[in-house]
Amino acid sequence: NAGVTQTPKFQVLKTGQSMTLQCAQDMNHEYMSWYRQDPGMGLRLIHYSVGAGITDQGEVPNGYNVSRSTTEDFPLRLLSAAPSQTSVYFCASRAGGSEQYFGPGTRLTVT
Amino acid sequence: AQSVAQPEDQVNVAEGNPLTVKCTYSVSGNPYLFWYVQYPNRGLQFLLKYITGDNLVKGSYGFEAEFNKSQTSFHLKKPSALVSDSALYFCAVDSNDYKLSFGAGTTVTVRA
Repeated sequence: NAGVTQTPKFQVLKTGQSMTLQCAQDMNHEYMSWYRQDPGMGLRLIHYSVGAGITDQGEVPNGYNVSRSTTEDFPLRLLSAAPSQTSVYFCASRAGGSEQYFGPGTRLTVT
Repeated sequence: AQSVAQPEDQVNVAEGNPLTVKCTYSVSGNPYLFWYVQYPNRGLQFLLKYITGDNLVKGSYGFEAEFNKSQTSFHLKKPSALVSDSALYFCAVDSNDYKLSFGAGTTVTVRA
């Protein structure tokens, strides 16, 4: 049981490049979320999903897309990277009413 | 809209002394409340949660938290802090719409 896995762990992009952050969970959780963590701002919700085929926007969705074709996978796509997207990104999953399980994070730098 | 406030950016205590990390929340409906801890360059680890029932919740590593509905607070406590408790602590609230809102975090430093 690997829990929540994220790849890559580190990534450097140039402004305007696109990329996909991968997230997978093997706990059969319905709910998955993407957060970004910036100093002094806690974790802010980017997008979330309550099940396969269902996604919705969180607090800071601009510049990011998601899809949920399977229960296990919830990739986050950066369409055209900007320096403001330099952050640490966490994926999380949960069953209804339970705590969230977090992945190890992806540290993204946009130059 | 739901929100969480952690009024202290930093908490410094001596090893062996009691540790308290404060959290207040705002949510419509009944709150689901959580505490998470983050060690340097690591992901978040779950400490404890309040869903319903007893207002005093016990969690991992000797931590506990008290839910106070009238004060809308959920303070994290540990009777005797350890140097290894030094980390970043996050309070979070959910009103059962599956969107978890986090506070800005409190850095705890326990000195030997």
